[in-house]
Amino acid sequence: KAGVTQTPRYLIKTRGQQVTLSCSPISGHRSVSWYQQTPGQGLQFLFEYFSETQRNKGNFPGRFSGRQFSNSRSEMNVSTLELGDSALYLCASSLSGGVGNEQFFGPGTRLTVL
Amino acid sequence: AQSVTQPDIHITVSEGASLELRCNYSYGATPYLFWYVQSPGQGLQLLLKYFSGDTLVQGIKGFEAEFKRSQSSFNLRKPSVHWSDAAEYFCAVGARSNDYKLSFGAGTTVTVRA
Repeated sequence: KAGVTQTPRYLIKTRGQQVTLSCSPISGHRSVSWYQQTPGQGLQFLFEYFSETQRNKGNFPGRFSGRQFSNSRSEMNVSTLELGDSALYLCASSLSGGVGNEQFFGPGTRLTVL
Repeated sequence: AQSVTQPDIHITVSEGASLELRCNYSYGATPYLFWYVQSPGQGLQLLLKYFSGDTLVQGIKGFEAEFKRSQSSFNLRKPSVHWSDAAEYFCAVGARSNDYKLSFGAGTTVTVRA
């Protein structure tokens, strides 16, 4: 069974631009969560989607948004990029969400904002 | 809200020696507890988890962890480390009342010397 895939693996953007990251969950998984990982703040929860609905959201500004499609694939978008948005963005999928279901993480997208 | 503290930022251990990584959590009830490992350039891999029952849990790669309610701790151990155990280790907690997100500790980097 294929794992969680994230595209692209690396991105370089400049301040003010916007970016879209993609996550394809493991087949059959309907929940997708996004996390931001930085050296200073560590791993922080962004949001979680299940059946195309956002169920939970972390403490991030409105510039961070996401969506989920009917095939469970998810995208997250960051508008008006800031230098501080440079991070590794991790996506995790699980069968139905909830920490009772194991979350499987993808390799991440490394975003660099110049 | 739940939180996690990993007191040790970096640990160096000799190959074949034992390893213990500390994790303390803050939560009003019994949380869901996890240990993840992250190798350079990779996503997170679940080592083990505690939901309820036996407080000593066994995981993959020879790791085990013990939940101690009185100390709010969930320390990870391995009797004999291998060079391949060099990685960053994250303790995470999920709240039973809001179970769609994980709160992670800052991580402990493990270096294994020959």
